[in-house]
Amino acid sequence: KNEVEQSPQNLTAQEGEFITINCSYSVGISALHWLQQHPGGGIVSLFMLSSGKKKHGRLIATINIQEKHSSLHITASHPRDSAVYICAVGSARQLTFGSGTQLTVLP
Amino acid sequence: DAGVIQSPRHEVTEMGQEVTLRCKPISGHNSLFWYRQTMMRGLELLIYFNNNVPIDDSGMPEDRFSAKMPNASFSTLKIQPSEPRDSAVYFCASSPGRNTEAFFGQGTRLTVV
Repeated sequence: KNEVEQSPQNLTAQEGEFITINCSYSVGISALHWLQQHPGGGIVSLFMLSSGKKKHGRLIATINIQEKHSSLHITASHPRDSAVYICAVGSARQLTFGSGTQLTVLP
Repeated sequence: DAGVIQSPRHEVTEMGQEVTLRCKPISGHNSLFWYRQTMMRGLELLIYFNNNVPIDDSGMPEDRFSAKMPNASFSTLKIQPSEPRDSAVYFCASSPGRNTEAFFGQGTRLTVV
């Protein structure tokens, strides 16, 4: 069993839809990271959180430490949100990565 | 700040050749990481520097791989000799501290033929 599990692996949505990507982990963590990787390959750090909820524009990330679960939500999705979203747990030194969720938002 | 800068963006080389990947971290960040991304294994940490000193290189696959950080603004990852199985995207990332957010470069796509 992988230490970091993401679901779904692939997600196709229509523009405007509310999107949720889930991440479950089995290891103890100091922080959980959500990363975005665009088709060009570059990786952008979206959030780092260790408790509660963070919001940045249309993106919301939540974490439940007791349940070892995090969700990334995208409100009013747009085609430019199409990317691979990667959950990673641990510190920057010891990040364990999920396999990623490929999101495609259709116009 | 321009962010983490990696070069080259793409590298195609023949098996057996030496390959050097370069990284310039964000100014003021004292932690630097080299990651490798493949379809089979996803993202893997290769080596981690703190204040220019290698702290953890347990992820370096074998002796053909070496990394240096001669100063706070520059690091290299060298593969000698390269093999086709080294083909991957190599990411450099930096962070201000040990348990803080990491900022990634655009990556170097390496193809060894």
